[in-house]
Amino acid sequence: SQKIEQNSEALNIQEGKTATLTCNYTNYSPAYLQWYRQDPGRGPVFLLLIRENEKEKRKERLKVTFDTTLKQSLFHITASQPADSATYLCALDPLSGGYNKLIFGAGTRLAVHP
Amino acid sequence: DAMVIQNPRYQVTQFGKPVTLSCSQTLNHNVMYWYQQKSSQAPKLLFHYYDKDFNNEADTPDNFQSRRPNTSFCFLDIRSPGLGDAAMYLCATSATSGRNEQFFGPGTRLTVL
Repeated sequence: SQKIEQNSEALNIQEGKTATLTCNYTNYSPAYLQWYRQDPGRGPVFLLLIRENEKEKRKERLKVTFDTTLKQSLFHITASQPADSATYLCALDPLSGGYNKLIFGAGTRLAVHP
Repeated sequence: DAMVIQNPRYQVTQFGKPVTLSCSQTLNHNVMYWYQQKSSQAPKLLFHYYDKDFNNEADTPDNFQSRRPNTSFCFLDIRSPGLGDAAMYLCATSATSGRNEQFFGPGTRLTVL
């Protein structure tokens, strides 16, 4: 069956350290993968998109990698700050019809402690 | 600022009493989506529109209906809400060109008593 898996346990890290979140998928062959941030009681906010032919994408303190052989994406936040505390969702296109359709993972909650 | 607006932010209804959630956008995007998100779960796509073209997900219950009278507005109707329909309902939009990212509204938290 098709699955997108993110670590359901919260990730607790110290301010200033690098946070690394994992997204694994099975039985999908996405052309791209996206990462979103979701704060409690709010809608997700787009952060980064990485295409299947890109190994790595960066935006300020954020870095995303995409390994289509391992079927995995890693999301890194360097020099993390308490304001980075949120749930981070990965999403991929299922290539199953529709328009810019996305299938989301359940997200990993990140807590950055001062 | 261009945005996606959802009303109301909180909706309480009674078991079996129909409810309508609304979404509007100022982004002029062709595609609008409705998701259901339960606590600590992934947003689950219910259906989406490309302009007036309606696309239902195979596992969306018949209890959920949608209308899109024009580009800016989209409605989610829950005909007979059950306790299991209590969730956050998220509306999102996307353009059909460019980065394919989705823009989400703040959500409507539905409580069913």
